[in-house]
Amino acid sequence: DTGVSQDPRHKITKRGQNVTFRCDPISEHNRLYWYRQTLGQGPEFLTYFQNEAQLEKSRLLSDRFSAERPKGSFSTLEIQRTEQGDSAMYLCASSLSGWTYGYTFGSGTRLTVV
Amino acid sequence: DQQVKQNSPSLSVQEGRISILNCDYTNSMFDYFLWYKKYPAEGPTFLISISSIKDKNEDGRFTVFLNKSAKHLSLHIVPSQPGDSAVYFCAASPYNNNDMRFGAGTRLTVKP
Repeated sequence: DTGVSQDPRHKITKRGQNVTFRCDPISEHNRLYWYRQTLGQGPEFLTYFQNEAQLEKSRLLSDRFSAERPKGSFSTLEIQRTEQGDSAMYLCASSLSGWTYGYTFGSGTRLTVV
Repeated sequence: DQQVKQNSPSLSVQEGRISILNCDYTNSMFDYFLWYKKYPAEGPTFLISISSIKDKNEDGRFTVFLNKSAKHLSLHIVPSQPGDSAVYFCAASPYNNNDMRFGAGTRLTVKP
């Protein structure tokens, strides 16, 4: 098991374009989270899945954002009609139910909207 | 709403000395508190945690203290090593663990 993988590592896109990121969690982890981190800030919660069900979404997740986790394995985060304010590091994390050992984060996808 | 606050953006200590990183929170519903360490170009890595029923948890050189009445926690690193240089995030979560809130981070530099 190589941990949580995110693809791509970097994405530069023009304003108005759609982008999609992928996250492959640790295989036995049933929970998957998406966070966004901007410069000088800590990660901000976006959404989380338990298996294939999306159970919670932050108000930060506007209608332009959608996340899926088909079959409860990998997840995708799509941003439609990107805006410059979407530029950030998008982090994926996974965990087993319960909290004791924290989340395992991926290295993130850095999005730059120009 | 910044429910978890790390008021010191940076901290510099000498190798071998103690590093103390502080964190304050406002939400009394938080039950679990965690510290993460982050190196450049990597995601945060879980370091140590504590539940609200305890006031101290120790793991090797790392100890986390929780003062619930003051809504304050701290991470002590003794002795500090240059490899500890990283950004440290404090995080807190309610019991259901699905909306973990992070502080803005403190950049620790340990000088040889």
